[in-house]
Amino acid sequence: GALVYQYPRRTICKSGTSMRMECQAVGFQATSVAWYRQSPQKTFELIALSTVNSAIKYEQNFTQEKFPISHPNLSFSSMTVLNAYLEDRGLYLCGAGQGGDTQYFGPGTRLLVL
Amino acid sequence: GQQVQQSPASLVLQEGENAELQCNFSSTATQLQWFYQSPGGSLVSLLSNPSGTKHTGRLTSTTVTKERRSSLHISSSQTTDSGTYLCARDTNAYKVIFGKGTHLHVLP
Repeated sequence: GALVYQYPRRTICKSGTSMRMECQAVGFQATSVAWYRQSPQKTFELIALSTVNSAIKYEQNFTQEKFPISHPNLSFSSMTVLNAYLEDRGLYLCGAGQGGDTQYFGPGTRLLVL
Repeated sequence: GQQVQQSPASLVLQEGENAELQCNFSSTATQLQWFYQSPGGSLVSLLSNPSGTKHTGRLTSTTVTKERRSSLHISSSQTTDSGTYLCARDTNAYKVIFGKGTHLHVLP
C-alpha cells in the first residue's frame, strides 16, 4: 500500500536556529509533495506545493527563504524551517500524491521552539 | 473561496453512544478524506470517500457529492475515539483544504 513517513516525529529547537524535516513516500511515486502547517488552535494551512517538472509554488505568507524545500526524487522531500521562532511552532504535515489522485499524508513532525 | 466547514465544532458523548460528524464543502471535490488527529497531534487517515457510502470498522462515511456534504458516523463510541476529526477535500490542484475539525470527547 501507499505510505508516507515523516522524520522526526517531534523536535525541539532553540529560537533563531533551523530545523530540517523529511518526508518519504513508500509504495507509490510522489510526483507531487505538499507541505502544510497546523499552528496551535488552527487547522492545516498549505505552505508550498512541489510537483515534478515545475517550480515549487509557495502560498501567501510563506517563502522559499524561510521554508526551503527539496524534492530530489519521486520518493523523498525535505523542508527546512530557517531561523525558527515561536510563531513557527506547530505540526508540519507532508502530503504526497501521484498524478493528481489521492494525497497520502504522513503523521506529521511536531516542532517546538524554545 | 474553497472552504471546508465542519460541524459540530465539539461533541461530548458517553461511551457507547453514536457520533455523527458533518462536513460541507464549497465546490465539488474529486477526493474527500476523513482524518483522525490524536490528542498528541499525529494524523491518521480514516477514509477516502468522494461519493457514496463507505464502511470501516465502526466508521461509516456517506458523501453526497451534488449536495457537497459528507458525514462520518461513529458507532458505539469508545474513550479511545476522543480526539479531533478532520475533513479534507482536494482542489484539483494537487493540494488539499482541511476543515477546522470536530473535537470529540468520549466520557467513560
